[in-house]
Amino acid sequence: DTGVSQDPRHKITKRGQNVTFRCDPISEHNRLYWYRQTLGQGPEFLTYFQNEAQLEKSRLLSDRFSAERPKGSFSTLEIQRTEQGDSAMYLCASSKTDAGYNEQFFGPGTRLTVL
Amino acid sequence: GEDVEQSLFLSVREGDSSVINCTYTDSSSTYLYWYKQEPGAGLQLLTYIFSNMDMKQDQRLTVLLNKKDKHLSLRIADTQTGDSAIYFCAESETSYDKVIFGPGTSLSVIP
Repeated sequence: DTGVSQDPRHKITKRGQNVTFRCDPISEHNRLYWYRQTLGQGPEFLTYFQNEAQLEKSRLLSDRFSAERPKGSFSTLEIQRTEQGDSAMYLCASSKTDAGYNEQFFGPGTRLTVL
Repeated sequence: GEDVEQSLFLSVREGDSSVINCTYTDSSSTYLYWYKQEPGAGLQLLTYIFSNMDMKQDQRLTVLLNKKDKHLSLRIADTQTGDSAIYFCAESETSYDKVIFGPGTSLSVIP
């Protein structure tokens, strides 16, 4: 198992364009999370899935953002009509939901720059 | 609401102990964490403590939890230059719930 992977690692786009990021969790992890980290801040929760169901969305997730996990494995995060304020590192994490302690494993992130 | 606060900067001399402090507001926090992030690198979980514990030690790391005051601290003994990084305090209600992070403390170790 190679851990959580994210693609692309870097994305530069022009304001107004749409972008899509992909996250591949650790296999057999039923929970998948998206976070956003801006410069000088800690990661902020955006949304999470249990299998294919999206169970919680932060108020940070405006209607320009949409996330999916259609088969309960990989997930995509799409941002429509990007704005300069969307520039950030987008982190994905995954975990199990067994009894006791379940570590959330973080991916390397996708760094988005909106020009 | 949920909020985690920590001081933003700490500077120590190599070989000294570092103590990073954190306060949180959510009384239903069950797990409290310390993460490390080095420049250009991902988030690394350093350690966690369950809310019914008041101390956890792991090699050079000691975590103290005062649940009454909602205060968490991380002590790094014999701090090395390789410990220079940003340290995030974080909490969650369960170990598979969303994690709420603080703003991070930037630790600088002076040789």
